[in-house]
Amino acid sequence: DAGVIQSPRHEVTEMGQEVTLRCKPISGHNSLFWYRQTMMRGLELLIYFNNNVPIDDSGMPEDRFSAKMPNASFSTLKIQPSEPRDSAVYFCASRGTGPYSTNEKLFFGSGTQLSVL
Amino acid sequence: AQKITQTQPGMFVQEKEAVTLDCTYDTSDPSYGLFWYKQPSSGEMIFLIYQGSYDQQNATEGRYSLNFQKARKSANLVISASQLGDSAMYFCAMRGNNQGGKLIFGQGTELSVKP
Repeated sequence: DAGVIQSPRHEVTEMGQEVTLRCKPISGHNSLFWYRQTMMRGLELLIYFNNNVPIDDSGMPEDRFSAKMPNASFSTLKIQPSEPRDSAVYFCASRGTGPYSTNEKLFFGSGTQLSVL
Repeated sequence: AQKITQTQPGMFVQEKEAVTLDCTYDTSDPSYGLFWYKQPSSGEMIFLIYQGSYDQQNATEGRYSLNFQKARKSANLVISASQLGDSAMYFCAMRGNNQGGKLIFGQGTELSVKP
């Protein structure tokens, strides 16, 4: 299995530009998570989907952030307009059971290192 | 609300010795799962070990074991016979069965193994 695939691995952009991060979960997994990692705030859950439906987006910092999952094999996280404080590593993760199972681990992608200048 | 606390920002251990990384948690869920992940300098998140709240025995995976003390709400990771490759960030995480599947993480502990 190819694992969770994220693209791009690195993104450098200027303030005000739109940024789109992409994720392909492991085939057959029905839950997908977007996390952001910074030195100051650690690993924060931004949003997660079950069966392509957003379940909890309370971690999305503001309206500049949006996430979609149009089908079971693809998700995007978009920042428009981007700001320097959005610089972070963004991880996508997936897992394969329903929301009430506690024992299934998350499989993480390699992350996208975003730098907003 | 759920919370995970890792109080050790950094730890040092001599190669071949054992080390314990602390993790305490808070939840009102009757059933929950506790996880440890390792993040080396390359950045990927690697699953290490899982403990269920109703598991009678402490989880073990090779050199990793989880010292689960439910009454104290602690889930410490024990690494035996440390190796240089164990140098990394270690994150404790929790999922409650009423939380819709989301996993929340502690702030992490940076472990350095000295030769």
